Amino acid sequence: DAKTTQPNSMESNEEEPVHLPCNHSTISGTDYIHWYRQLPSQGPEYVIHGLTSNVNNRMASLAIAEDRKSSTLILHRATLRDAAVYYCILITKETSGSRLTFGEGTQLTVNP
Amino acid sequence: DAGITQSPRHKVTETGTPVTLRCHQTENHRYMYWYRQDPGHGLRLIHYSYGVKDTDKGEVSDGYSVSRSKTEDFLLTLESATSSQTSVYFCAISGSAGVDPLAYEQYFGPGTRLTVT
Repeated sequence: DAKTTQPNSMESNEEEPVHLPCNHSTISGTDYIHWYRQLPSQGPEYVIHGLTSNVNNRMASLAIAEDRKSSTLILHRATLRDAAVYYCILITKETSGSRLTFGEGTQLTVNP
Repeated sequence: DAGITQSPRHKVTETGTPVTLRCHQTENHRYMYWYRQDPGHGLRLIHYSYGVKDTDKGEVSDGYSVSRSKTEDFLLTLESATSSQTSVYFCAISGSAGVDPLAYEQYFGPGTRLTVT
């Protein structure tokens, strides 16, 4: 299975930008990069996804390296509500049914 | 929010009893999934469905069965509950029409906390 690597934890201050990295050196040309987050005591929540180009939505931005071997989720102004575990996941053609395989993710702490 | 509900939200049961968890969606999405989440682990896929009566196993399917007799409902059954099945169970749906399947977003339900004593 295509694998991703993320730091176990990161810390940020409120209202500052946060850059959450993800390495996926074995990504293939058709794999999509998805990001989900899970707030305490809640189910995971879709954040953003991309294929090759950088993507923006109301929650975040996704910057994808030119060689696609890494990506960065950008929260432009962190709030206390953004404290969560962030998961970077590859969706591949081999993942029938678009199943998500969750790794350990990055625990983001936001300081007031 | 995506229209996805789970019932019950909390359940305590005894070892050896059968338990059925229900996931209901109002989005008409093709795919439905059951995950479990345990302390120290991320979410792990139990079973998923890619259509009515079409299901397949995930990575931790032993001890679980599923059924999907209509698009909106996906049932997870523990035939004989064991303490190792104490967990939080999440249902998810995906499959927006006209979208590349690899780009499907998954929407998760609120979870069911199951305790097997």
